[in-house]
Amino acid sequence: EIVLTQSPGTLSLSPGERATLSCRTSQSVDSSFLGWYQQKPGQAPRLLIYGASIRANGIPNRFRGSGSGTDFTLTISRLEPDDFAVYFCHQYGPLPWTFGQGTKVEIK
Amino acid sequence: EVLMVQSRAEVRKPGESLRISCKGSGYTFTSYWIAWVRQMPGKGLEWMGVIHPGDSDTKYSPSFEDQVTISVDESINTAYLQWNSLKTSDTAIYYCARNSHAFFDYWGQGTLITVSS
Repeated sequence: EIVLTQSPGTLSLSPGERATLSCRTSQSVDSSFLGWYQQKPGQAPRLLIYGASIRANGIPNRFRGSGSGTDFTLTISRLEPDDFAVYFCHQYGPLPWTFGQGTKVEIK
Repeated sequence: EVLMVQSRAEVRKPGESLRISCKGSGYTFTSYWIAWVRQMPGKGLEWMGVIHPGDSDTKYSPSFEDQVTISVDESINTAYLQWNSLKTSDTAIYYCARNSHAFFDYWGQGTLITVSS
């Protein structure tokens, strides 16, 4: 099973600041099979990024995914109030598919 | 518009059985796998398994195999997640999600299952 480790656990930032979220995998993952989701309290997760860097429909371009191999990053260029949430990375290559434990982006 | 609509919240006692549902609409139901994901209170996401509505081919996470059964009724565009004997540790929100090339592009609203004596 591929283990995904996200860091930091919590990121305390102000609106307008840049957020950098890390996802490291225990084995190399084809970048075609790495995604990111956003989850707000009481809501289902929402797909942000797939294929490591492709924004899903309707996702603003302040969200950028990058990385390869075992190191992947989600960058939010300028945080807006709506962006404060929990973010999960996800590998959907080899079964079983797995998620990171999440990074909470909170208002400082 | 693609929608995944799940059944309502349920409260059960340990040892009881339960089946929850997920109805897809707004797309060709048999063209996309449907996955189930667990989220325990205050925790992260866990992939449980996935089913193809066209032929009922099913794949389970080792963590959930023998714990749950995933099934589908293609005629009514609905997938199911079933337990034969619930445990208190099954208390969680369960999400269904449409699989597009294995990532999850549309999610249901979640079904809260509470198991308590």
